[in-house]
Amino acid sequence: SQKIEQNSEALNIQEGKTATLTCNYTNYSPAYLKWYRQDPGRGPVFLLLIRENEKEKRKERLKVTFDTTLKQSLFHITASQPADSATYRCALDADNYGQNFVFGPGTRLSVLP
Amino acid sequence: SAVISQKPSRDICQRGTSLTIQCQVDSQVTMMFWYRQQPGQSLTLIATANQGSEATYESGFVIDKFPISRPNLTFSTLTVSNMSPEDSSIYLCSARGGRGYNEQFFGPGTRLTVL
Repeated sequence: SQKIEQNSEALNIQEGKTATLTCNYTNYSPAYLKWYRQDPGRGPVFLLLIRENEKEKRKERLKVTFDTTLKQSLFHITASQPADSATYRCALDADNYGQNFVFGPGTRLSVLP
Repeated sequence: SAVISQKPSRDICQRGTSLTIQCQVDSQVTMMFWYRQQPGQSLTLIATANQGSEATYESGFVIDKFPISRPNLTFSTLTVSNMSPEDSSIYLCSARGGRGYNEQFFGPGTRLTVL
């Protein structure tokens, strides 16, 4: 069966450092890999997507890499700020229709001042 | 992008009653979905809301318990029927397939507590 793992349930880092979150998957062939941010009591907010034929994507302080051979994505937040504290979830998307869209368990990031 | 609103934002209900959650998208979208998120857990897909036809349910979810309507391309409802405390959760509406994007967007969620 499909399985998605994110490196840790919680990650604490110092303000100004780079946060690196890992998403690993098995038994899945995603066409897209997406990263979402979720704050307590709120719905997930879409951040970035990367396609299966792309290696890296950047958006402001965010960088995502995608290695379909390793079945892994890395999500980086550079120059982290306390406002970046949230749960970050990767999501795998096998097509453009949504039924094969699967969320990872999430990593709760805390950026300490 | 799509902006999704849900009503109510939260509710406390008695066992055995039913609650209907409304989801409104600010633009026409192809696909709408309903998810459940239990405390501290990830999101689980309940069903895909199909316009003009019956919803497509995931394993473990049935129409009698979670009837869904989707009368048009911007609106859907999810009913949680004959509620029990185990139904206490956050219910999230989601949409994708609007013009020019293939991201999937989520509403703010409805926090349901069943006593």
